[in-house]
Amino acid sequence: QQQVKQSPQSLIVQKGGIPIINCAYENTAFDYFPWYQQFPGKGPALLIAIRPDVSEKKEGRFTISFNKSAKQFSLHIMDSQPGDSATYFCAGLNSGGGADGLTFGKGTHLIIQP
Amino acid sequence: EAQVTQNPRYLITVTGKKLTVTCSQNMNHEYMSWYRQDPGLGLRQIYYSMNVEVTDKGDVPEGYKVSRKEKRNFPLILESPSPNQTSLYFCASSLWGDEQYFGPGTRLTVT
Repeated sequence: QQQVKQSPQSLIVQKGGIPIINCAYENTAFDYFPWYQQFPGKGPALLIAIRPDVSEKKEGRFTISFNKSAKQFSLHIMDSQPGDSATYFCAGLNSGGGADGLTFGKGTHLIIQP
Repeated sequence: EAQVTQNPRYLITVTGKKLTVTCSQNMNHEYMSWYRQDPGLGLRQIYYSMNVEVTDKGDVPEGYKVSRKEKRNFPLILESPSPNQTSLYFCASSLWGDEQYFGPGTRLTVT
């Protein structure tokens, strides 16, 4: 199983700070890298995603940075708010692979303190 | 409203008693998948389906069955549940497999 390694497992940041969650992947065939946000009692929700032809993507306060040569990508949350407190999962996908689904990291439990 | 629905949301059962968790999507998606979520292990894919009548194993298929007779439905079947299948289960759907939309989850306890 090709892994996606996610760190840290948990993270506490003060309101307004910039939490950064990192992921590293092994499968060089991955060509789609989404981030999911999950609140307690809910299913994961797609937050933002990137393909390896760009090094950065921004959507609102959320930014993905992507380093293809290092096989790493990260999520940055600007001006973080208590409502951003959730578990975040990164994932990788070989969209042309057919036989492979999303491979998820193990998640980061993020707490934004008021 | 575009959504993925799962039923039941909560289920407590005993070892060996067959059960089915239903999943339905109203987005006309080709791709559907089942995941289980366990503390410290993240989300792991059980089975997926690229189209009607086409299903394939994910990372942890042992003890599970699926079927895809209609595009909108993708039930998960546990023919003889065991305690190690106690978990939180999610169904997801996607047009082609990339942007996956998850259901609300089914919390299963097998005693």
